[in-house]
Amino acid sequence: EVQLLESGGGLVQPGGSLRLSCAASGFAFSSYAMSWVRQAPGKGLEWVSHVGTNGGSTYYADSVKGRFTISRDISWTTLHLQMDSLRAEDTALYYCATRSGRYAPFEYWGQGTLVTVSS
Amino acid sequence: EIVMTQSPATLSVSPGERATLSCRASQSVSSNLAWYQQKPGQAPRLLIYGASTRATGIPARFSGGGSGTEFTLTISSLQSEDFAVYYCQQYDNWPPWTFGQGTKVEIK
Repeated sequence: EVQLLESGGGLVQPGGSLRLSCAASGFAFSSYAMSWVRQAPGKGLEWVSHVGTNGGSTYYADSVKGRFTISRDISWTTLHLQMDSLRAEDTALYYCATRSGRYAPFEYWGQGTLVTVSS
Repeated sequence: EIVMTQSPATLSVSPGERATLSCRASQSVSSNLAWYQQKPGQAPRLLIYGASTRATGIPARFSGGGSGTEFTLTISSLQSEDFAVYYCQQYDNWPPWTFGQGTKVEIK
């Protein structure tokens, strides 16, 4: 059974940092691209960042470019999102999700971790 | 960036009735279109990919159609567990991967 378990969310002041993690199990982690998708309270879904299977190709939404860094640790089958210079508008539930190929949807999702940016 | 537009924003349907949701892409996404269901307090769940292929375990009352820029999700006979928010998403031209704003299916 595929399991994705996010952690690391919490309350942080504007300008602060957080590091999110997503522990993966039940599938061949190294064969899947991974993404972070967020959802602000009461709002829709917004893709945030992507990392390829080998960790070499990374992409970011314009709204987070230069502030967030995605990485993956294949040894520990864990996905990370380093979030710096946080803003109030980054407040959201952050999900990690899998993609099995170049033209693939987000097949599996974790339950999310909540990030609140507020003074 | 491809913009995805869903309509209507809210759909009021009685149990047992048919529901049809629409999704339009600002440019062609071929058949690289997915639909997700999200219930309150839960993560999104993949329903349909490739515009018309049901994901594993998805009941046959869910069907998807369309290609290019116009897509539909049809729920043939709404069950109580189907009342939720539905999102379309394109994965043809990325980054970014883009979602529609969602359609809430509520009980009439």
